[in-house]
Amino acid sequence: ILNVEQSPQSLHVQEGDSTNFTCSFPSSNFYALHWYRWETAKSPEALFVMTLNGDEKKKGRISATLNTKEGYSYLYIKGSQPEDSATYLCAFLLMDSSYKLIFGSGTRLLVRP
Amino acid sequence: DVKVTQSSRYLVKRTGEKVFLECVQDMDHENMFWYRQDPGLGLRLIYFSYDVKMKEKGDIPEGYSVSREKKERFSLILESASTNQTSMYLCASSLSARSQPQHFGDGTRLSIL
Repeated sequence: ILNVEQSPQSLHVQEGDSTNFTCSFPSSNFYALHWYRWETAKSPEALFVMTLNGDEKKKGRISATLNTKEGYSYLYIKGSQPEDSATYLCAFLLMDSSYKLIFGSGTRLLVRP
Repeated sequence: DVKVTQSSRYLVKRTGEKVFLECVQDMDHENMFWYRQDPGLGLRLIYFSYDVKMKEKGDIPEGYSVSREKKERFSLILESASTNQTSMYLCASSLSARSQPQHFGDGTRLSIL
């Protein structure tokens, strides 16, 4: 059974702190890694789609890195703000799958003002 | 912006009822998905459709069916609702199932009594 692990499950930080969390996935047969942000009462919103080993992507204060050889991706948030409070989901796509994303259970971030 | 609209945010139905969850997207995407999300678990794929009248089973299709008669609309049907189908249901669409992010609706929280 293919598994995506996200850690930590939840995280509480103070406004202004920088934080990061991890997504671990099987390193063989990799095609792509997705990151989504899911705020309460809203729809999940795509942050990044990453495909190449060593990829780094950035969107404002949020960035992500990808290591396909060892099977992990880090998501970093610099200077966390209360509006960053959300659940962050990662999902990976196998090389031999045409469509099926396998999701982790998410990291729930709460940023205290 | 892509808009994925789910017909209801909250729905309460009784055991044995036939339940329809509707999803409409406005971006002419070929690919549409139905997921369910349960506490502590990642999003799990119920069904996927890559074109009108075309569908593929996901990881947990039992007890569900789908309909895609028009490109913009993807319906999830619970043939005879059971209490273990109480969950959050999310619809998504994407331009390319492999290389593009998925765009999600706001979700339907379904309770089966």
